[in-house]
Amino acid sequence: DAKTTQPPSMDCAEGRAANLPCNHSTISGNEYVYWYRQIHSQGPQYIIHGLKNNETNEMASLIITEDRKSSTLILPHATLRDTAVYYCTGAGVGRSQGNLIFGKGTKLSVKP
Amino acid sequence: DVKVTQSSRYLVKRTGEKVFLECVQDMDHENMFWYRQDPGLGLRLIYFSYDVKMKEKGDIPEGYSVSREKKERFSLILESASTNQTSMYLCASSPPGGGSIQYFGAGTRLSVL
Repeated sequence: DAKTTQPPSMDCAEGRAANLPCNHSTISGNEYVYWYRQIHSQGPQYIIHGLKNNETNEMASLIITEDRKSSTLILPHATLRDTAVYYCTGAGVGRSQGNLIFGKGTKLSVKP
Repeated sequence: DVKVTQSSRYLVKRTGEKVFLECVQDMDHENMFWYRQDPGLGLRLIYFSYDVKMKEKGDIPEGYSVSREKKERFSLILESASTNQTSMYLCASSPPGGGSIQYFGAGTRLSVL
């Protein structure tokens, strides 16, 4: 499983874009990059994943560098409810890859 | 929306007790998982199941067992609770082929005294 490195904390003003970086230089060629978040006292919540193309859904955008050694999660208009710990991880697909391994993540604080 | 429900948010048990943690999902998912989450150690997989009556060990199965008699329910059993099993326990489910897109319950914070 890919080891990831994320900054321990970040602040973002409400309404502004939050850009959360992740280094995953050991990710293997068939591993996807997944992002989850965990709001205080809740279980983790899936956000988005990608292999090598940029991805966007209703929650966020994911930008993966061409060499796949790093990625950035973008919350385009952060709200107070986006305050959470954000985790990136590498994982395969299919039956044998269900074991999510989270590092320490980035604690994002969205401030009014 | 997928709903994964864990039977208790907080639980206090005594050393040596047998403890049952229940998890139910309402989306007909084949895959279900039990993790524990501890500060500084992240998420660790205890057991998972890909089908009814099937179970596979995760990274830290010692001291735990599981039961999956029905597709929607996955139970974690602490045979004889010990203080080092004090932790946050998280249940998750995922559809077939979507093993890394998991839907989590709110968690059960278990304290073993």
